[in-house]
Amino acid sequence: KQEVTQIPAALSVPEGENLVLNCSFTDSAIYNLQWFRQDPGKGLTSLLLIQSSQREQTSGRLNASLDKSSGRSTLYIAASQPGDSATYLCAVSRETSGSRLTFGEGTQLTVNP
Amino acid sequence: KAGVTQTPRYLIKTRGQQVTLSCSPISGHRSVSWYQQTPGQGLQFLFEYFSETQRNKGNFPGRFSGRQFSNSRSEMNVSTLELGDSALYLCASLRGGSTDTQYFGPGTRLTVL
Repeated sequence: KQEVTQIPAALSVPEGENLVLNCSFTDSAIYNLQWFRQDPGKGLTSLLLIQSSQREQTSGRLNASLDKSSGRSTLYIAASQPGDSATYLCAVSRETSGSRLTFGEGTQLTVNP
Repeated sequence: KAGVTQTPRYLIKTRGQQVTLSCSPISGHRSVSWYQQTPGQGLQFLFEYFSETQRNKGNFPGRFSGRQFSNSRSEMNVSTLELGDSALYLCASLRGGSTDTQYFGPGTRLTVL
């Protein structure tokens, strides 16, 4: 059974700081890994999708890496802003389960002005 | 391009009742997945429909069911509601390939009294 763990559970940083969120998964037989952002009481916004054959993806101030063999991914946020405050979730889809996503519990990020 | 829409956004029901939630995917997307999000269990996969057929199913009781119409819109039904069914129900839309990015709707907040 695939299990996804995110560390830390919560993070509070001052504005402008660079930060790293961590995600680990137990079964390396994945199709892809996706990072999402969720604002309180809202749906999920897709940030980055990394296919299993890729090592990283970048979008603006965000960079996500994937080490499939070790079961790890990191989300790097550069020059954090108060608007980045949200819960960040990583999710993996497995080769045997098609598009079904298994989510971590999330990291709640607060960026203080 | 319109995003994923879910109706209604909020629902209050009492135990024993049944409820139907609706999800309209992004135009051209043929797959719809449903997820339940609770503070205790996080995000859990319910089921996925592709071209009107259930393609994948999570570990939920038979009280949870769904269907998909020819225009790709999907409905989820929960019968004999229990207090523990109170949750945010999210649907995700993707074109159809298992490696595609999944786009989530804003969710339906269900409260069971």
